[in-house]
Amino acid sequence: DSGVTQTPKHLITATGQRVTLRCSPRSGDLSVYWYQQSLDQGLQFLIQYYNGEERAKGNILERFSAQQFPDLHSELNLSSLELGDSALYFCASSVSGQFFSPLHFGNGTRLTVT
Amino acid sequence: TQLLEQSPQFLSIQEGENLTVYCNSSSVFSSLQWYRQEPGEGPVLLVTVVTGGEVKKLKRLTFQFGDARKDSSLHITAAQPGDTGLYLCAGPNYGGSQGNLIFGKGTKLSVKP
Repeated sequence: DSGVTQTPKHLITATGQRVTLRCSPRSGDLSVYWYQQSLDQGLQFLIQYYNGEERAKGNILERFSAQQFPDLHSELNLSSLELGDSALYFCASSVSGQFFSPLHFGNGTRLTVT
Repeated sequence: TQLLEQSPQFLSIQEGENLTVYCNSSSVFSSLQWYRQEPGEGPVLLVTVVTGGEVKKLKRLTFQFGDARKDSSLHITAAQPGDTGLYLCAGPNYGGSQGNLIFGKGTKLSVKP
């Protein structure tokens, strides 16, 4: 058990809809990362937060947004969903958000857009 | 653009066999990490290699970082069904801000009893 909790585990929704994925980091970790995993692209970095502030942005679409709250949990909002957004979405956390700080991944949210 | 290429993409072997999987890049990395991901779960960090030429052992798993710090390999001795999973290598993303990693697409290993 990594200590990172993601909800929901599965999500099925229709094109055009909006969903929110939630992540609670490991106790003591200040940095949260969101990754998207698909069969053809592998694990792609979306966005990183550190102690409530955005730290880095990767291949995140404009239809997607995220935030980290004062209690350090994070939410990833996906809107105007398209079939191609179907993927596994992982949250990871680390203590400091630096390169040598190991990432601890949750078990992901599997999003299916129909 | 930093890229990590892993080979082979798929590997299916019998219990007791040895295997090596590779992670290659044209870019130099200050460190590389190896993760294992099992179905329905997130990746779990196995090891971080930092020094060129470094060899690290984790029970039957041996990790090596290339001298030029552009490649790494993972060797498994006497594979067991419990080794089945997706093996991912990852390195720091210098093109972006600090902290985030880029991942290879992984080697999917299946060890049959």
